[in-house]
Amino acid sequence: TQLLEQSPQFLSIQEGENLTVYCNSSSVFSSLQWYRQEPGEGPVLLVTVVTGGEVKKLKRLTFQFGDARKDSSLHITAAQPGDTGLYLCAGGDVFTGTASKLTFGTGTRLQVTL
Amino acid sequence: NAGVTQTPKFRVLKTGQSMTLLCAQDMNHEYMYWYRQDPGMGLRLIHYSVGEGTTAKGEVPDGYNVSRLKKQNFLLGLESAAPSQTSVYFCASSNPWNLDRSSYEQYFGPGTRLTVT
Repeated sequence: TQLLEQSPQFLSIQEGENLTVYCNSSSVFSSLQWYRQEPGEGPVLLVTVVTGGEVKKLKRLTFQFGDARKDSSLHITAAQPGDTGLYLCAGGDVFTGTASKLTFGTGTRLQVTL
Repeated sequence: NAGVTQTPKFRVLKTGQSMTLLCAQDMNHEYMYWYRQDPGMGLRLIHYSVGEGTTAKGEVPDGYNVSRLKKQNFLLGLESAAPSQTSVYFCASSNPWNLDRSSYEQYFGPGTRLTVT
């Protein structure tokens, strides 16, 4: 069974601070996704990375896929209250010719206060 | 487009009762999934389907059954509910993977909060 551990589990910071969330596994994944989930809603995709060492930027969010494709990080610069939510990483594996199964991480709950 | 919809939004069951959760998607996606979300455990895959008429077990299938009679619908059934099935259930859909990495994305519904007493 593949496991994805996220750290920290909870993070409460003030607006303007920087933060990094980590997603680690002993397994290799073909892709790594990050989702954000708000209360009462389903997760929404932020980014997909598929190449070891890949770095993607989405405004103030920077995502990195580890060289060995076993880990990933999400860095937020100058956090804003709108960044508040549950962040989930998900490792992808191709389990049929075209279908990808996702293994979700344990989640990091972020709260950004004024 | 409504995307992925789930009914009901909330439900309380007594131990031993049965119920069916309905998921519908209007994006013509081939693949559909059922997950449960519990505190500190992320989302765990219950069952999935790679096409109309086909289903397969995920990570935690015991106590659940599914059916995909129509491409746009994926039903999750609990035959005899147990307190351990208290959770938030999410349905998702996606299209086949290809080199366009955007097709990796799974689209989620808003969830069904189920409590079994």
